[in-house]
Amino acid sequence: GAVVSQHPSWVICKSGTSVKIECRSLDFQATTMFWYRQFPKQSLMLMATSNEGSKATYEQGVEKDKFLINHASLTLSTLTVTSAHPEDSSFYICSARAGIHEQYFGPGTRLTVT
Amino acid sequence: QQQVKQSPQSLIVQKGGISIINCAYENTAFDYFPWYQQFPGKGPALLIAIRPDVSEKKEGRFTISFNKSAKQFSLHIMDSQPGDSATYFCAASWGGYQKVTFGTGTKLQVIP
Repeated sequence: GAVVSQHPSWVICKSGTSVKIECRSLDFQATTMFWYRQFPKQSLMLMATSNEGSKATYEQGVEKDKFLINHASLTLSTLTVTSAHPEDSSFYICSARAGIHEQYFGPGTRLTVT
Repeated sequence: QQQVKQSPQSLIVQKGGISIINCAYENTAFDYFPWYQQFPGKGPALLIAIRPDVSEKKEGRFTISFNKSAKQFSLHIMDSQPGDSATYFCAASWGGYQKVTFGTGTKLQVIP
């Protein structure tokens, strides 16, 4: 099946610094990737939709200047959390769309901001 | 209208039993209904999916039942095993709308 990887799997950073998370589709090309945030024991919350070669579309309430998304190629999308604060600590998950419907998720990145 | 309601929130089933998770939706434009399985600290994995032109789809021990008129669908896990213990999310989407709407999740625990 389609494989999506994320790097890093976990990261600890200090408040005020920026962190970049990579999402790669390993065996297929993905024109569309999605970024989700998940709090403990909760469902996935869509943050933004990333289309290759164009600007990301952010969901209501998601600060686009804080969560920078770049989808520079058909296999790579990046999420940069700028000036991270403790409230940004969360589990970030990307997914890549293969076909009309199917989405395949990455293993997630645990971000802890101290 | 974009909501997908999922129940129960948690479920405890004995090994060998049947686990049943239910979902309901409002938007009749949805035409793809996947189920995802998520283990702690991992991303969701696509388990099984169904389109509304069929009433049932079975893959191994996992079966989706779909009731288009009631706008409901459910996941049945037959012969539940401790390794099935995870959180399950139902979801819905339609081809013209890229986003997937997720249910709230069901934490399944299968006890020996």
